[in-house]
Amino acid sequence: GENVEQHPSTLSVQEGDSAVIKCTYSDSASNYFPWYKQELGKRPQLIIDIRSNVGEKKDQRIAVTLNKTAKHFSLHITETQPEDSAVYFCAASTNNFNKFYFGSGTKLNVKP
Amino acid sequence: NAGVMQNPRHLVRRRGQEARLRCSPMKGHSHVYWYRQLPEEGLKFMVYLQKENIIDESGMPKERFSAEFPKEGPSILRIQQVVRGDSAAYFCASSPDSREQYFGPGTRLTVT
Repeated sequence: GENVEQHPSTLSVQEGDSAVIKCTYSDSASNYFPWYKQELGKRPQLIIDIRSNVGEKKDQRIAVTLNKTAKHFSLHITETQPEDSAVYFCAASTNNFNKFYFGSGTKLNVKP
Repeated sequence: NAGVMQNPRHLVRRRGQEARLRCSPMKGHSHVYWYRQLPEEGLKFMVYLQKENIIDESGMPKERFSAEFPKEGPSILRIQQVVRGDSAAYFCASSPDSREQYFGPGTRLTVT
């Protein structure tokens, strides 16, 4: 089955700096890659997603890049703010979306 | 349009009792996923259901665990004869198209 690995497990940045979180996956059939943000004690919320026919997608301060050949995808947050502090999860799914495999999470701390 | 609802939010059971977790998807959503999350860990896929059908239950233990999504009413995750290791947060997510998932607030199960 699919194996999604996520790094780093914790990330501390200064407000205004950029943050990058990386994920790798093992199943070449995976072609949909969402990212979720989970604040302490709350539900995961989708922040951005990318399909395999696209190499990069941006939404304001958030961008995701995908390298299908190398089987890795990354989340980039620019101009970080304290409210970006949360746990971020990457995930991968195949075309039939029968199941989603999640990474182990990255705890991002943005210091004011 | 109300979001995904889960109840109860907190559930305490003694070892050997049954736990029933309910998930009401968003209006118009016919796809439901259940996940389990241990503290400081990622989300682990358990089961994917569509109305009246289990599509993929490969992430769910074969014993003691069952799930349903009837034509009317919420999806239910049932854990029989709970053990301490079942203590976790259980999240459901609903989707209109099996792609973009909207998570509920979770049920925190504690087995004493």
